[in-house]
Amino acid sequence: GEDVEQSLFLSVREGDSSVINCTYTDSSSTYLYWYKQEPGAGLQLLTYIFSNMDMKQDQRLTVLLNKKDKHLSLRIADTQTGDSAIYFCAESVYSSASKIIFGSGTRLSIRP
Amino acid sequence: KAGVTQTPRYLIKTRGQQVTLSCSPISGHRSVSWYQQTPGQGLQFLFEYFSETQRNKGNFPGRFSGRQFSNSRSEMNVSTLELGDSALYLCASFTDRGGTEAFFGQGTRLTVV
Repeated sequence: GEDVEQSLFLSVREGDSSVINCTYTDSSSTYLYWYKQEPGAGLQLLTYIFSNMDMKQDQRLTVLLNKKDKHLSLRIADTQTGDSAIYFCAESVYSSASKIIFGSGTRLSIRP
Repeated sequence: KAGVTQTPRYLIKTRGQQVTLSCSPISGHRSVSWYQQTPGQGLQFLFEYFSETQRNKGNFPGRFSGRQFSNSRSEMNVSTLELGDSALYLCASFTDRGGTEAFFGQGTRLTVV
């Protein structure tokens, strides 16, 4: 079945790195995503990774995928106050790539 | 180019009424999917449409229905509203049959009283 799990909260100090973890169950997942949602806003796609990749880096963001353990992580380097938001891990499969299964979201708070 | 447009942004309805929400995808996009976001259940998949055909439906009662028009605009309808239908309804537009990038609208905040 399809299920995506992630921890609910993460607090980090400004300037430190944030690492948000996620596990998924569907081995046929083709695309794995990280979305950001700020209060009162819709969803913003931060980055995505194909299931045949191990890592993807995009400026301050690094995504690591361990396909064997079905584990995905998002690292945000030099975390800033503007990074405060809820981060959703999500998956979809090629045969139905517009059906996205989301995790419950991790609320990232930044302390000074 | 214009993003995904959802109308209305906010809506208040009473129990038992029905509601229709609209989503206009990005020009040229033919895939649209809908999601319900609530504090208790998180983001849940409702429907997926491609070229006017529903390809997938989530685990929601028959009171939830949708359709897609030839111009790719999509509507969803909820009949006999219940308090638990209060949620943010998000629409996503995709480049083709799906693909790597989903562009989300701002959502419609539905409150059922």
